[in-house]
Parts: sequence; structure tokens; C-alpha cells
Amino acid sequence: KAGVTQTPRYLIKTRGQQVTLSCSPISGHRSVSWYQQTPGQGLQFLFEYFSETQRNKGNFPGRFSGRQFSNSRSEMNVSTLELGDSALYLCASSLAGAGGPMNEQFFGPGTRLTVL
Amino acid sequence: QKEVEQNSGPLSVPEGAIASLNCTYSDRVSQSFFWYRQYSGKSPELIMSIYSNGDKEDGRFTAQLNKASQYVSLLIRDSQPSDSATYLCAAFNQFYFGTGTSLTVIP
Repeated sequence: KAGVTQTPRYLIKTRGQQVTLSCSPISGHRSVSWYQQTPGQGLQFLFEYFSETQRNKGNFPGRFSGRQFSNSRSEMNVSTLELGDSALYLCASSLAGAGGPMNEQFFGPGTRLTVL
Repeated sequence: QKEVEQNSGPLSVPEGAIASLNCTYSDRVSQSFFWYRQYSGKSPELIMSIYSNGDKEDGRFTAQLNKASQYVSLLIRDSQPSDSATYLCAAFNQFYFGTGTSLTVIP
């Protein structure tokens, strides 16, 4: 079974631009979560999508948004990029999402975003 | 405010020793807890999950949960150099992570 895939793997943008990252979950998984990982802040939760609906949200500004398609693939968008948005963006998929036991998350390889 | 705290380390243990990793969480609401291992340059991978008070063993790994004390730990017995990684604790329905503890196992 193929794992979680993320594209692109590396991205360089300049301040003020916007960026879209893509995540394809494991086949059959309906929940996709997005995280930002930086050396200083660790792994921080952005949001979770389940069956095309945002079900949980972390404490990030509205510049960070996402969506999920009917095939469970998800995209994350960051508008008006800031230098502080440079990070590794990870997505994780699980069978039925958060809120209960047994819903293990499987992480993709991440997208390394650099904002200049 | 959902917060997960870990002993930041770094932690160094000799090969064959027991490594002890600790995690506390701020809110009694959390019902599920997870330990992930992250090798340098790689994404996190789940190694243990625990939902009930007490111990849960899986090979060389033992997770311990004490909900009254809001404390979860991970013990790695017979530590191997391949266990050298950052260990992340997650709580609150697996969305909230600690900053991780870096473990080095010295041959």
C-alpha cells in the first residue's frame, strides 16, 4: 500500500507570494491533518479535514487555509508569505481521523518551504 | 490551552541501557496519547499509542500513562544506536505535540 505523498518536496518563495501544497493520503484514509514543523516551535497543528470538511483547527492566522477533495486529497494554501513561514510542512492521514483510539496518523515526507 | 511538555534533553544513554522519556499535558480532556520517533531529516513515525492508565508494552518499548498526574512516559529497554532520534509525545486526539526529546544511544 502506498504511503502518504506530498508535493512538491521543496519550494522557494519570496515574501508576499502565496503557495499551495498538496497531500495525497493513504488509500482508504479519509482524514488529513496538516502540521508546521520548525526547530524553535516543534510540530504545530494547522488543521484537519475529514470528508471534505474542516473538522479541527489549530491556532494559525487566516493566511493558512486548506481544503479536501472528494478523493480525500488535500491542499494547503498560505497567502502573503512571511519569512517566519519558512518551515517543514507535514501532512498526515488516518483512517477515520481524530477523536478516538486506533486512529493512528501516518506522516508524509513533508514539503520544505523557504521564504526569502 | 492545550499544552504538551517534554523533557527537552538532549538525552544520552549507553548502548544496552534503559532510556526514559517523559511527557506532561495540560488538560485532563485528552484521552489518547502517542509516541512518535523522528530521525533526522525524516518525518515522524508512530511507535506507541496508549489510552488507558497503566503500562503498555511492545517489544523493547513500554508506554506508561497516569491520567491523574497528567503524565505519560516512554521507556526504551536495551537501547540500541538505531534508537538515536527525536521522540515526540502527542496528546489531545493526537494533534498536539511536545517539542521532542533528542535521544542519543552511545555504542
